[in-house]
Amino acid sequence: KNEVEQSPQNLTAQEGEFITINCSYSVGISALHWLQQHPGGGIVSLFMLSSGKKKHGRLIATINIQEKHSSLHITASHPRDSAVYICAVRWERGGSNYKLTFGKGTLLTVNP
Amino acid sequence: NAGVTQTPKFRVLKTGQSMTLLCAQDMNHEYMYWYRQDPGMGLRLIHYSVGEGTTAKGEVPDGYNVSRLKKQNFLLGLESAAPSQTSVYFCASRQFAGTNYGYTFGSGTRLTVV
Repeated sequence: KNEVEQSPQNLTAQEGEFITINCSYSVGISALHWLQQHPGGGIVSLFMLSSGKKKHGRLIATINIQEKHSSLHITASHPRDSAVYICAVRWERGGSNYKLTFGKGTLLTVNP
Repeated sequence: NAGVTQTPKFRVLKTGQSMTLLCAQDMNHEYMYWYRQDPGMGLRLIHYSVGEGTTAKGEVPDGYNVSRLKKQNFLLGLESAAPSQTSVYFCASRQFAGTNYGYTFGSGTRLTVV
């Protein structure tokens, strides 16, 4: 079964720390998404990657296709970054071009 | 520019009651999706649509029906609600398939079936 694994499940940091959230997947993908969900809130798309690296403000997403691994980094973390971060992939084979498989999410808490 | 709007935001149903969740997008997106989110699980696809007048089943379609009579609207129906359908429901849309197009999500509908 094609799977998406995120680590850690929970992460607590102090304001200003550098944060890394990891996502591993089992087989080849055509695209990987990073999403953000604030408590009780909606879901916001942060990045969509098929190779390399993308940066938006303090957020950086990287992907290593050979190792089937992606990371989401947050520099100079802030309490407003506290949220669940979700990785989702579209499989290269055996899946539909329309469907995503989601990880279970990483709950990040940034303390002031 | 509202993006994706879901109504209602909260609802409590009794077992056996029916209801319809509405998803509306104003971005002229072709693809629309309904997901459910349950504790300890990733989002799971219920049904999706690749264009006006078309719908297809996702991973967990049982107990739900959908319609896409207008391009901007995607309706999710529960004909006879069950406690197992207690969940948070998210709608999403996307302009086209392909690796260059991201998803826009709604703010969710929290449904409790008692």
